[in-house]
Amino acid sequence: SQQGEEDPQALSIQEGENATMNCSYKTSINNLQWYRQNSGRGLVHLILIRSNEREKHSGRLRVTLDTSKKSSSLLITASRAADTASYFCATDFSGGYNKLIFGAGTRLAVHP
Amino acid sequence: DVKVTQSSRYLVKRTGEKVFLECVQDMDHENMFWYRQDPGLGLRLIYFSYDVKMKEKGDIPEGYSVSREKKERFSLILESASTNQTSMYLCASSLSRPPMGSTFGSGTRLTVV
Repeated sequence: SQQGEEDPQALSIQEGENATMNCSYKTSINNLQWYRQNSGRGLVHLILIRSNEREKHSGRLRVTLDTSKKSSSLLITASRAADTASYFCATDFSGGYNKLIFGAGTRLAVHP
Repeated sequence: DVKVTQSSRYLVKRTGEKVFLECVQDMDHENMFWYRQDPGLGLRLIYFSYDVKMKEKGDIPEGYSVSREKKERFSLILESASTNQTSMYLCASSLSRPPMGSTFGSGTRLTVV
C-alpha cells in the first residue's frame, strides 16, 4: 500500500499540553500535507511541507519532515479543547502520481 | 468565502437504486476529487478529474462512475447502490496538480438499506 500511516490512532490530553502526531509513508514524495477534520465534517488543510524542507511553522503548529526515515510529525503546542478533531497526513508521490494518498488519521481529544 | 458544496449532508437510499451525489465549487479549480471515508481506512480516492469531460479512476472505482459536464460541477454516480457503499463521501477541489492544499466539502453521509 502507498498509504501514509498515522501514529498514534488516538491521543487524549489535557488543555495546555502539547500534542504530537506522527506519519510514516513508503515511497518518495514531492510534499506532505496535514489536514484536520472536525467530527462528521469535511477536511481542512492545515499545512504543507515540501520534500526539501525539514521544518515548518504555522501559529501553534509545527511540522517536521525526515525524508530519510520517510516520516513526518505534527506538533500542536498549548492545545485547546477546540483542537479536538481527527488529523490526517496526505502525501503525493514523486513517481508520477497526481493525487493525494491519505492515512487513517489520529483522533485527538483535548480535555478542559 | 470560497467553498465546495455537496448537495446533501445525509442520504438514505435503497439497494439497487441509482444514486447521484453532487459537488459544486466556486473557486474556478480545474481539479476535483471524490473520496469515501470509512472508519480505520482513512480517505480512499474513487475518481478524479483534471478538466471538463475528463475523468480518471482512483483506487476504488468499482461500482461508481462520475460526470463532469461543467468545470464547477463534479458528480459521483452509484449505478446500483449496495449496502457496502454505505459511507461518508467527500468531494474536494484543488488549484494545482498534484493537489497542494485541497478544499473539501462538508461530506455526504450515505446509508444504503
